[in-house]
Amino acid sequence: GAGVSQSPSNKVTEKGKDVELRCDPISGHTALYWYRQRLGQGLEFLIYFQGNSAPDKSGLPSDRFSAERTGESVSTLTIQRTQQEDSAVYLCASSARPGVGTGELFFGEGSRLTVL
Amino acid sequence: GENVEQHPSTLSVQEGDSAVIKCTYSDSASNYFPWYKQELGKGPQLIIDIRSNVGEKKDQRIAVTLNKTAKHFSLHITETQPEDSAVYFCAANWDSGGSNYKLTFGKGTLLTVNP
Repeated sequence: GAGVSQSPSNKVTEKGKDVELRCDPISGHTALYWYRQRLGQGLEFLIYFQGNSAPDKSGLPSDRFSAERTGESVSTLTIQRTQQEDSAVYLCASSARPGVGTGELFFGEGSRLTVL
Repeated sequence: GENVEQHPSTLSVQEGDSAVIKCTYSDSASNYFPWYKQELGKGPQLIIDIRSNVGEKKDQRIAVTLNKTAKHFSLHITETQPEDSAVYFCAANWDSGGSNYKLTFGKGTLLTVNP
């Protein structure tokens, strides 16, 4: 596609359930980022992939959060045993080159997660 | 790590007026400062960025200034139009352990341009 695609756009789940959020980056973009945006807050860095590798997972809020990327393309962010504080918009971004400042980050429209 | 403060949180201006949003950062090693615009229901979109080797950059009605000594940078929008209404985020990079991939964002400014 022309841009970064995320699915689902909206997800409502019950506390304790697992959710998977998907990101399709722009074709050929080697760098992929996940951010979390809570209501009224800035974007919080979660994880960065260069190719299929994630050099730093320290932004993940807890061990309930995990992410993977396959084929240097699609990435999945998984949240296990969801809690109400996980409610947020999860944004994915991709970039043609690694590192910040080497090229524009293109963001998807996000996946809005609501945990009841 | 890097800490970015952004002010004001909300800004309302009349069409045609100028708007200024200010950010400060904490890490003197930061050298890349982008600004993103986020419209309702959309992802953030880069509108302008500046690197630490310049003090000012302009693109039509948008300009960004950087004061490295004071560690602050500002977004200036002139001749505002209703379509400029959006949330604006500033950001600064943070070189973590030699891997330059993190952007720390401010909390955003909701700009409303009244016709």
